[in-house]
Amino acid sequence: AQSVTQLDSQVPVFEEAPVELRCNYSSSVSVYLFWYVQYPNQGLQLLLKYLSGSTLVKGINGFEAEFNKSQTSFHLRKPSVHISDTAEYFCAVSYSNTGNQFYFGTGTSLTVIP
Amino acid sequence: NAGVTQTPKFQVLKTGQSMTLQCAQDMNHNSMYWYRQDPGMGLRLIYYSASEGTTDKGEVPNGYNVSRLNKREFSLRLESAAPSQTSVYFCASRITSGRPTDTQYFGPGTRLTVL
Repeated sequence: AQSVTQLDSQVPVFEEAPVELRCNYSSSVSVYLFWYVQYPNQGLQLLLKYLSGSTLVKGINGFEAEFNKSQTSFHLRKPSVHISDTAEYFCAVSYSNTGNQFYFGTGTSLTVIP
Repeated sequence: NAGVTQTPKFQVLKTGQSMTLQCAQDMNHNSMYWYRQDPGMGLRLIYYSASEGTTDKGEVPNGYNVSRLNKREFSLRLESAAPSQTSVYFCASRITSGRPTDTQYFGPGTRLTVL
């Protein structure tokens, strides 16, 4: 079965501290990976995506993620978080053999503490 | 350019009532999707439409029907609402079908409560 796992449901972190949100996927075919952010009472917005090439992907708002094929991971990082980063973060995967469907993780709620 | 719009934003139904959630996009996208979001479960695909005139079931289609009215509009219908359908519903669109690299764009969501 193809799936996406976000290991941490809630991550509290102090303002200006670094953060890592974890995402692992299972697949036997090529994958395309995405991170979305959802602010309270809003829809999802794309943060970044990995399609091919460099395994380190930079996105908006200072976020970056690294694709690690051997560990089947796509962890999201930010070196210094702000209060405004408080939101829900979703990892998603699309597979080369199921082009029309995306599979989402269960989400990680990031809370930045002043 | 409004992107993806959804109506209504909020709705309360009684068990057994029916309703239709509307979604429209003005980006000339071919593919459209309906998801539901429940606490601790992330987003789950209900139905999708790869192109005008086609629809396919996703992970949780039971209790729902869809209509791809034209290229712009994709509606989700609950024929007989149940409390288990209390959720936040998101519509999304993509520019092409069959190409897994394309980004999805999401609407603001519809918050549905079934009493």
